[in-house]
Amino acid sequence: EVQLVESGGDLVQPGGSLRLSCAASGFIFSDYAMHWFRQAPGKGLEYVSALSTNGDITYYADSVKGRFTISRDNSKNTLYLQMGSLRAEDMAVYYCARSREGYNLLDYWGQGTRVSVSS
Amino acid sequence: DIVMTQSPDSLTVSLGERATINCKSSQSVLFSSNNMNYLAWYQQKAGQPPKLLIYWASIRESGVPDRFSGSGSGTDFTLTISSLQAEDVAVYYCQQYYSTPLHTFGQGTKLEIK
Repeated sequence: EVQLVESGGDLVQPGGSLRLSCAASGFIFSDYAMHWFRQAPGKGLEYVSALSTNGDITYYADSVKGRFTISRDNSKNTLYLQMGSLRAEDMAVYYCARSREGYNLLDYWGQGTRVSVSS
Repeated sequence: DIVMTQSPDSLTVSLGERATINCKSSQSVLFSSNNMNYLAWYQQKAGQPPKLLIYWASIRESGVPDRFSGSGSGTDFTLTISSLQAEDVAVYYCQQYYSTPLHTFGQGTKLEIK
């Protein structure tokens, strides 16, 4: 059974940093591109970042470019999102997702981890 | 960026009746080289992550009941639930992956039971 389990969400002050993790199981992690999305309270879904199978190609939404870094450790079946210079508008539930057919079809999602940004 | 706009924002339908949700993209998501529409639909129940229902505009994901169907091409798409069940209460999102991996979603349509 495919499982994605996010962790690392927390309450952080504006300007602070946080690292999210997404532990994958039930599939060959290194065969799939991976993604981070977020959903602010009561809002819709927003793309954050994507990463190629071997981690050499990264993509970022303009809203997080230069502040967030996506990475993966295929030996640990884990995806990461290093978040820095956090702002109030970064407050959301963060989901990791797997895609098949390259980056196209987001077929499995984790349950999400909540990031709160407040002083 | 490709902007996805759904209508209506909310929908109330009686059990057993048809529910129809529309989605319009700001530019065509039909890729001419393979004649495929890069459009998916997701269902998100309260407190849960999104679930892939339909991809390539009309192909049901494995395990999705056949009361769910997708149609449309180019810039205009529709998700239809032929006979609404209680478990279908959710927010539904359309999503384009034409500009993958920069996926963009519609604002969502909240579906409730009358």
